[in-house]
Parts: sequence; C-alpha cells; structure tokens
Amino acid sequence: EPEVTQTPSHQVTQMGQEVILRCVPISNHLYFYWYRQILGQKVEFLVSFYNNEISEKSEIFDDRFSVERPDGSNFTLKIRSTKLEDSAMYFCASRALGAGNQPQHFGDGTRLSIL
Amino acid sequence: AQSVTQPDIHITVSEGASLELRCNYSYGATPYLFWYVQSPGQGLQLLLKYFSGDTLVQGIKGFEAEFKRSQSSFNLRKPSVHWSDAAEYFCAVDALNTGNQFYFGTGTSLTVIP
Repeated sequence: EPEVTQTPSHQVTQMGQEVILRCVPISNHLYFYWYRQILGQKVEFLVSFYNNEISEKSEIFDDRFSVERPDGSNFTLKIRSTKLEDSAMYFCASRALGAGNQPQHFGDGTRLSIL
Repeated sequence: AQSVTQPDIHITVSEGASLELRCNYSYGATPYLFWYVQSPGQGLQLLLKYFSGDTLVQGIKGFEAEFKRSQSSFNLRKPSVHWSDAAEYFCAVDALNTGNQFYFGTGTSLTVIP
C-alpha cells in the first residue's frame, strides 16, 4: 500500500537556525498538509496546500513558516528563525481528489528538537 | 468552527474486555468523522471513517464506531480488546472548507492490562 514518507525522522537544530522538513506524499494525491504535535498534546493543523498554493493555514503558521512543492514528488516545510517552542513532532499528510470523501494519509512524522 | 472533544484522557481496560472511546463533535451539518490510532513514536493510522449512510461503520482491527446525530457523538468500540490495542486514539472532523483540514480531539490513551 502506498505510504507518505517523511525525512528525517529526527532533526536537531540550534535556535535561530532554519530547518527544512521533507515529505513525499502518495503519488496520485493532490491535497497536502502539515500538522504538528507538541509532546503529550493533540495534533494541530498548520497548513493545507492544493494546486500549488496554500488553501488554508492556522495561526501557528506565521511568517517564519513556508511550504513548497519544488518538484512533482516532494512537499517541504521550512521554518526560519526557529524557536524553542517549535520543538514538536511534525506530520505530513496527503489526500486524494474529492478531499471531503477521502481520508488523509499520514507519514510517521519528523521529531524536531530545537536547542 | 468545527471542534472535537474526547472527554476521556486515559482509559485502562483488561485484555478481552470491551472498549468504548467517546468522541463528541460540534458542527452544524453532517460532519465527516474519522478515528485514528497512534502507537508510540509512530504516525497516525486510519481506523475508520464516516461520511453518510449507515451510522454504524466498521474499521480495521475489529473496531467499529457509531454516529449519533442526536448526541453529536461518534464513539469508537471494540468487543474484545487485545494487548496490542494499547495506543493513543484520536477522533477527527473534516473542516469541510477549501483546505479540508482535520481538527483533532485531544486523544485518549488506552492501557490494556493482562
């Protein structure tokens, strides 16, 4: 069964540095998402992406965050000027066309640790 | 905005016992509802989903859930729990907007004792 893959599994970065989290969504999916989960808390929506543009974003997704689909397969989340509170598990998800009737498929996540 | 509430933070059941995890949602129309399971250090795996039609939906691993509009609930059930079911369970609702993102509940942690 196709899977969403995320790299790296664990990223350690110094506060203030930039970090890029990478995701390869399922190949025929058209909707892409990033979520985060702070340790012990619920999964929170960051951003959705469709047709090469952001369709929705949450308050968490401030101007330090950006997403990109640089080629036909990767979907990246960039965080500039990282803060300690960015430490969390970040999940990528993708969804097929007909989004309202399709579940999201999640990757195993990237654990981001800001020191 | 849509929201999801999971009233039980932590539940402990004996192996072989039945299980019910509660989920309540707030949404004006018929929601699209999902249950996911997360094992430690892992991603989110879809257990089941509800869009319309039969209010009792079957999922993987022997789980089922029942949509009750009158109670705004979508509770997850399993007749006989296995030790491998110990995990975190999340209920989610589709935002049904341009992004179709999910709103997740706070999760219920399930412990299974032998």
